[in-house]
Amino acid sequence: AQSVTQLDSQVPVFEEAPVELRCNYSSSVSVYLFWYVQYPNQGLQLLLKYLSGSTLVKGINGFEAEFNKSQTSFHLRKPSVHISDTAEYFCAVSVNDYKLSFGAGTTVTVRA
Amino acid sequence: KAGVTQTPRYLIKTRGQQVTLSCSPISGHRSVSWYQQTPGQGLQFLFEYFSETQRNKGNFPGRFSGRQFSNSRSEMNVSTLELGDSALYLCASSPKSQRGYGYTFGSGTRLTVV
Repeated sequence: AQSVTQLDSQVPVFEEAPVELRCNYSSSVSVYLFWYVQYPNQGLQLLLKYLSGSTLVKGINGFEAEFNKSQTSFHLRKPSVHISDTAEYFCAVSVNDYKLSFGAGTTVTVRA
Repeated sequence: KAGVTQTPRYLIKTRGQQVTLSCSPISGHRSVSWYQQTPGQGLQFLFEYFSETQRNKGNFPGRFSGRQFSNSRSEMNVSTLELGDSALYLCASSPKSQRGYGYTFGSGTRLTVV
């Protein structure tokens, strides 16, 4: 079975500063990797995904993530955050493309 | 293109009652999955339907059930509600015609059991 660990439960960051959210996964087979964002009282919105190919993946809203197979990691980064990036972020893996296994989430709070 | 639509957005039910939640997937999406989100357990997979057939089920008691109709719309039902069933229930759809497409989520139904 696969599992996902998000290493930080809360990340406070100042506006215009960079942010990195860490995600590690475990699986004995190849996986698809995803990052989702959830704003208050809303569902999940896909930020980006890694299927294969280039290990650096660019997503929406200026986010990018790097897949590292040897470290089984898929960390999310943004070089300069805005107040509107305040939200909860979820890393997820899919092994056989039928279900997503989510990490516990990282709450990002952006302060002016 | 309309997104995934879940109704109702909010529900309050009493212990012991049953509830039905509805999900309309994106047009052309044939797979619908359901997830439960709680502060304690996080996001957990309930089940997935494809072409009216349940293909996969998560680790939930039999009180949780679902179905999918020929137009891909899906419903999930929870019988004999317990306080612990209070959660945000998220529906997600996928075309399943592209590997690794992932899922598009609806805004969820917030169920409160009192």
